[in-house]
Amino acid sequence: SAVISQKPSRDICQRGTSLTIQCQVDSQVTMMFWYRQQPGQSLTLIATANQGSEATYESGFVIDKFPISRPNLTFSTLTVSNMSPEDSSIYLCSVEGTGSDYGYTFGSGTRLTVV
Amino acid sequence: EDKVVQSPLSLVVHEGDTVTLNCSYEVTNFRSLLWYKQEKKAPTFLFMLTSSGIEKKSGRLSSILDKKELSSILNITATQTGDSAIYLCAVDAYNYGQNFVFGPGTRLSVLP
Repeated sequence: SAVISQKPSRDICQRGTSLTIQCQVDSQVTMMFWYRQQPGQSLTLIATANQGSEATYESGFVIDKFPISRPNLTFSTLTVSNMSPEDSSIYLCSVEGTGSDYGYTFGSGTRLTVV
Repeated sequence: EDKVVQSPLSLVVHEGDTVTLNCSYEVTNFRSLLWYKQEKKAPTFLFMLTSSGIEKKSGRLSSILDKKELSSILNITATQTGDSAIYLCAVDAYNYGQNFVFGPGTRLSVLP
């Protein structure tokens, strides 16, 4: 299965600033997914990032707040812009396996605290 | 290196059967274990198990955490076709450089 390197693993940020989270995959994948995990809640899908096209955002999430880049088939970034304490959460990326590798692989997450 | 292992990786049953999904983990700083059901892109949270809450039940689903054996099971009784999904086990490991460690998932197929 794919291996994802996600950075940073955690950060403490001032409100009003922005943080860019990176996910590097060790193989080429068509779609990458960005999620938010708040304590005791389901993973919430933020957007799907396809290489070569704009990301598709889920209801409640907008590009101005969570801009995503997908410059190639192995890399993506999610930026959390103009942060507020409500953005404190764990952010995860994942990719979907193909063929016999059917499952989803997740990054280890970025634990963000906004103060 | 922290890791989470799930078994079986794939399971096919018929409606009405009872299934048990397994998850074992090796992490250096365990905080909690979470079970998710993934049908499309966004996994649905099922249970969170911690040292103070080692057994959870919701309808036909139940889960137990065995901290001594570093494992958990997810039971589904009287399975239905709607239970067909990938079931993910994840451990919240509060280490520098590591947050969640996900298992590979168990693909459950429930046939009518």
